[in-house]
Amino acid sequence: ELKVEQNPLFLSMQEGKNYTIYCNYSTTSDRLYWYRQDPGKSLESLFVLLSNGAVKQEGRLMASLDTKARLSTLHITAAVHDLSATYFCAVGDNFNKFYFGSGTKLNVKP
Amino acid sequence: DSGVTQTPKHLITATGQRVTLRCSPRSGDLSVYWYQQSLDQGLQFLIQYYNGEERAKGNILERFSAQQFPDLHSELNLSSLELGDSALYFCASSYRQGRDTQYFGPGTRLTVL
Repeated sequence: ELKVEQNPLFLSMQEGKNYTIYCNYSTTSDRLYWYRQDPGKSLESLFVLLSNGAVKQEGRLMASLDTKARLSTLHITAAVHDLSATYFCAVGDNFNKFYFGSGTKLNVKP
Repeated sequence: DSGVTQTPKHLITATGQRVTLRCSPRSGDLSVYWYQQSLDQGLQFLIQYYNGEERAKGNILERFSAQQFPDLHSELNLSSLELGDSALYFCASSYRQGRDTQYFGPGTRLTVL
């Protein structure tokens, strides 16, 4: 079974700072998803990364995928309070199953 | 609003009972996915359907079953409920299967007493 490890699990940061969330996975995959979940809410899709070297950016968030290292990163630039949420990565395997990380709870302090 | 609807929003029932959760995908989407989110086990993929056919099965218990109907809505049936089945159940949809963006519904919160 594919394992997905996310770190850190908790991240408290000041507004205006940069930080990176890491997502490692255990077996080959070229399908990596990032989601955001606000407290008591559903998941919102942020990025879908489908090839080695894929990089996508939306606002202050940028995601990348290195399939050889089995690693994806979600980089936060100049954080703002509105980015406070829990961020999940998920990996799809060759059988169309999906495996989630434990989530990173981000708290951006004003 | 993702365009995916789920009913009911909340469900409270007793151990041993059976419940049905319903999901309507976004207009035009052919794939439906079911997920369970609990404090113990995090987010788990349960099952996926594409255009009425089961395409992938994850950590779905034998007491659980699902189907996708010709109008593409889907139902997740949970039977012989146990306390540990209490969780948020999300449905998601995508146009194709496997590599597309998945749009999540608001979820059904199931409480088993």
